[in-house]
Amino acid sequence: EDKVVQSPLSLVVHEGDTVTLNCSYEVTNFRSLLWYKQEKKAPTFLFMLTSSGIEKKSGRLSSILDKKELFSILNITATQTGDSAIYLCAVEGIIQGAQKLVFGQGTRLTINP
Amino acid sequence: EAQVTQNPRYLITVTGKKLTVTCSQNMNHEYMSWYRQDPGLGLRQIYYSMNVEVTDKGDVPEGYKVSRKEKRNFPLILESPSPNQTSLYFCASRLSPLRWYEQYFGPGTRLTVT
Repeated sequence: EDKVVQSPLSLVVHEGDTVTLNCSYEVTNFRSLLWYKQEKKAPTFLFMLTSSGIEKKSGRLSSILDKKELFSILNITATQTGDSAIYLCAVEGIIQGAQKLVFGQGTRLTINP
Repeated sequence: EAQVTQNPRYLITVTGKKLTVTCSQNMNHEYMSWYRQDPGLGLRQIYYSMNVEVTDKGDVPEGYKVSRKEKRNFPLILESPSPNQTSLYFCASRLSPLRWYEQYFGPGTRLTVT
């Protein structure tokens, strides 16, 4: 069964800390892995990764994919209270002939001042 | 402004009373999807549509219907809602099957079925 598993499910840290969020997957015919940030509304796109070992970076956020070990990490450095959100990992695959996006459960990140 | 709109945003209803959640996009996108989001389960796709009059089941289609009579609209229909359909629903659209990173989500509809 195709699945995406994120860990931890919940994380509480202090402002200024660095956090690492994990995403492991087993998805048929992998095409890409996407990270989203979800505050109190719809998910917003952060990164798309397709190649192993190439880091994507946007400000204090960065992400990398390991296609051999089937996982990705999302790093956030110097966290701020505005980083509090649910972070979703999703993997695109070709499953039973159709393109599908399989989501993980999400990691709820809380940044305390 | 490019956007996906959903209505209503919040709905409390009773078991068995038919309801429709509307979804509309103004970007001329061909692909549209409905997802539900439940705690601890992430987003799960209910139905998707590749174009007008072309729809297919996602991972959790039971208890739902959709239609795509016009390109911009993709309503979600619950013929006989049950409490296990209490959830947060998102409509989404994108231009092509490969451009997941350009998938626009609507603001969400929080449905409670009592």
